[in-house]
Amino acid sequence: GAVVSQHPSRVICKSGTSVKIECRSLDFQATTMFWYRQFPKQSLMLMATSNEGSKATYEQGVEKDKFLINHASLTLSTLTVTSAHPEDSSFYICSASRGGNQPQHFGDGTRLSIL
Amino acid sequence: AQKITQTQPGMFVQEKEAVTLDCTYDTSDPSYGLFWYKQPSSGEMIFLIYQGSYDQQNATEGRYSLNFQKARKSANLVISASQLGDSAMYFCAMREGLYGGSQGNLIFGKGTKLSVKP
Repeated sequence: GAVVSQHPSRVICKSGTSVKIECRSLDFQATTMFWYRQFPKQSLMLMATSNEGSKATYEQGVEKDKFLINHASLTLSTLTVTSAHPEDSSFYICSASRGGNQPQHFGDGTRLSIL
Repeated sequence: AQKITQTQPGMFVQEKEAVTLDCTYDTSDPSYGLFWYKQPSSGEMIFLIYQGSYDQQNATEGRYSLNFQKARKSANLVISASQLGDSAMYFCAMREGLYGGSQGNLIFGKGTKLSVKP
């Protein structure tokens, strides 16, 4: 069964709307979770590392004020796309790992479409 | 320089035949892990197989095996007896600093699109 749950799976909304995406680790505590963005026919690009109890670490070029990350508990991280515009339309996917040599388990992703 | 290189944008294989998907990597870290993921058109990332830099034997997991050649820094995925359901994107990924010194993020290759023909 799924070990990482991501919700919602699809969002279609108007430009200027803020969208929150939730990522939950279901059967283990994840002090670190990861948020990726994927454009069509491209690979996953790491946006930020979400750390429980502290600020997220953003990759170069990712706007902190546009993509707000909150790791409120050991099982939940949220990504909020603030004042979304059409160029923010993409596939967003989160992951979590038990650490060490354990694989990252991914949520099912969120397809965000901004009209 | 790219850390993970997948040189095959697309591959075709006949059903029931074996196929090898190439992956080479670049790291100076002695402790790293290599992962393969499958991404069907629905988008979810499915973990397939893992190889640690200190593992002596090549990893196997059902129909999946990893041809790990450390000196050549390659970690090719071999899928035996291909099935129609194997049609998907396949990503090779690496995590450096496996046992400390890293937050654990994965570095992905650009992927290979595998199409299985009936």
